[in-house]
Amino acid sequence: DAGVIQSPRHEVTEMGQEVTLRCKPISGHDYLFWYRQTMMRGLELLIYFNNNVPIDDSGMPEDRFSAKMPNASFSTLKIQPSEPRDSAVYFCASSRDAGQPQHFGDGTRLSIL
Amino acid sequence: GENVEQHPSTLSVQEGDSAVIKCTYSDSASNYFPWYKQELGKGPQLIIDIRSNVGEKKDQRIAVTLNKTAKHFSLHITETQPEDSAVYFCAARRNTGNQFYFGTGTSLTVIP
Repeated sequence: DAGVIQSPRHEVTEMGQEVTLRCKPISGHDYLFWYRQTMMRGLELLIYFNNNVPIDDSGMPEDRFSAKMPNASFSTLKIQPSEPRDSAVYFCASSRDAGQPQHFGDGTRLSIL
Repeated sequence: GENVEQHPSTLSVQEGDSAVIKCTYSDSASNYFPWYKQELGKGPQLIIDIRSNVGEKKDQRIAVTLNKTAKHFSLHITETQPEDSAVYFCAARRNTGNQFYFGTGTSLTVIP
């Protein structure tokens, strides 16, 4: 069984550039979550989807952040324009339904110079 | 909302000794408590979980206990091995909604 797949694994870019992070959830999982992990704030939930529909985006820090899920097997998290304080590891996770554990991908380490 | 506190932030033990990590939560409506292990460069991986209708669950060298009255739960690792070295996160989820609230993590080092 393939796990959650994220790409790229590492991204280094200059501030002001657009950044797009990608996630493929586990097949059959109806929920998809985007998290950000930093030393200062730990794991923060940014947004989650149920059946491709955004349910709670209250964790999205600013309008510069947006997320989409065009189909059950793909989601993107976009930052435009990016800033140095966006540097973090971004994780995608999925779960089969609301009562099941979340399975995480290996993350995208983002560095904004 | 829910507030999950985790202690200690770092823990070093000798190989073969036990390790205990503790978490408290604030929302009495929380009913599901998973524990995740995160190795360097990897995402958190679920290692054990417990639901509020049981007080203890064990899986080989790993056990989790839950005290609903006191609103705390703990991870116990016995006979620790160097490969147990990682960052461990606790989490809590309410019986309504799908959001997990994570602790701040415990960096465990097992000294050979």
